[in-house]
Amino acid sequence: GESVGLHLPTLSVQEGDNSIINCAYSNSASDYFIWYKQESGKGPQFIIDIRSNMDKRQGQRVTVLLNKTVKHLSLQIAATQPGDSAVYFCAENTPRGGYALNFGKGTSLLVTP
Amino acid sequence: EAQVTQNPRYLITVTGKKLTVTCSQNMNHEYMSWYRQDPGLGLRQIYYSMNVEVTDKGDVPEGYKVSRKEKRNFPLILESPSPNQTSLYFCASSLPGTGYFGPGTRLTVT
Repeated sequence: GESVGLHLPTLSVQEGDNSIINCAYSNSASDYFIWYKQESGKGPQFIIDIRSNMDKRQGQRVTVLLNKTVKHLSLQIAATQPGDSAVYFCAENTPRGGYALNFGKGTSLLVTP
Repeated sequence: EAQVTQNPRYLITVTGKKLTVTCSQNMNHEYMSWYRQDPGLGLRQIYYSMNVEVTDKGDVPEGYKVSRKEKRNFPLILESPSPNQTSLYFCASSLPGTGYFGPGTRLTVT
């Protein structure tokens, strides 16, 4: 069936470096793609989204890139900080059931000093 | 402040004892949903609701019920909990392109 997955389950970066978290998707009918951050003991927190008719969107220290040709999504975090350590999920907003979110398995980002 | 609240946050119960996890949102969203999160399996949708009195099954609905009598509330009901329903549960309220999650309910069924 259709799925959203992640290339790497864990990522370790040094404080101050840039982080790139990747995600592959297979449902070409998705309208939105969303990145969430989940810290230990908390619910997923919305970071940034991108519509399917865009290929890049920037937020504060974060950039999401969408490559529809290869069905690939990435989250770039600039100047990674210790507070960025968390699990990051990509999710696709599928047409099924209105605004259903189909989540990938998650990537654990560890920022070392 | 926009928020989704869930109660209880932690619950330990025994097999077969009916329980309800409440969820409430203050953003007037039409769409609400329930997810469970298990190690190695990520977040999986249990049920969702597109509006009052409109609910439908997600990917893992077996053993769960929901109701949507008011826009702001979307309780999750386990009529006869079993140990395989031990999990971390999240309620979410959303619009296209975004989603707000509650703090989670950690349920243990013995």
